[in-house]
Amino acid sequence: DSGVTQTPKHLITATGQRVTLRCSPRSGDLSVYWYQQSLDQGLQFLIQYYNGEERAKGNILERFSAQQFPDLHSELNLSSLELGDSALYFCASSVEGGRAGDTQYFGPGTRLTVL
Amino acid sequence: GESVGLHLPTLSVQEGDNSIINCAYSNSASDYFIWYKQESGKGPQFIIDIRSNMDKRQGQRVTVLLNKTVKHLSLQIAATQPGDSAVYFCAETSGYSTLTFGKGTMLLVSP
Repeated sequence: DSGVTQTPKHLITATGQRVTLRCSPRSGDLSVYWYQQSLDQGLQFLIQYYNGEERAKGNILERFSAQQFPDLHSELNLSSLELGDSALYFCASSVEGGRAGDTQYFGPGTRLTVL
Repeated sequence: GESVGLHLPTLSVQEGDNSIINCAYSNSASDYFIWYKQESGKGPQFIIDIRSNMDKRQGQRVTVLLNKTVKHLSLQIAATQPGDSAVYFCAETSGYSTLTFGKGTMLLVSP
């Protein structure tokens, strides 16, 4: 158990809908990262927050957004869902903000299925 | 169920053998490297890391080798066990940039 929690574990929804994925980092970690893992794309970095502020952005679609709250938990919002958004979504956390040696620990993921 | 692609490079070994998983990276500025293990239906799990000022680091049954000249990273697993069966990813980063993950290698261990 990495100490990172994610809810829900599974999510099934329809195209055009909006969903929210939730992540709680390890105790003491200030940084949260979101990743998408699909069969043909591997692990793709989406976005990083550090202590409530956006720190880095990766291949995140405009239909997706995220935020980190004062208690450091984070939510990833996915809207206007398409079939291609079906994937595993992972959250990771680290103590600081990504410097060398700042290990990211991953949660168990949320499996999103868009029908 | 499986959480990764169906066309990953696969390494099949017998229980008790030593396994070597390789990774080529592209960014010569990368200074920190991590190996993760991902079992079916789970998130990536940290195994071992290495900084660019080192060329070898050992953990419990695992060793990571870094060759910066050819931008190559390898993970050696000693006395491989069925529980080692998983997909293994290398990841790289430089400074404060984010992690870039490799495509992964599936390790299958037969009893």
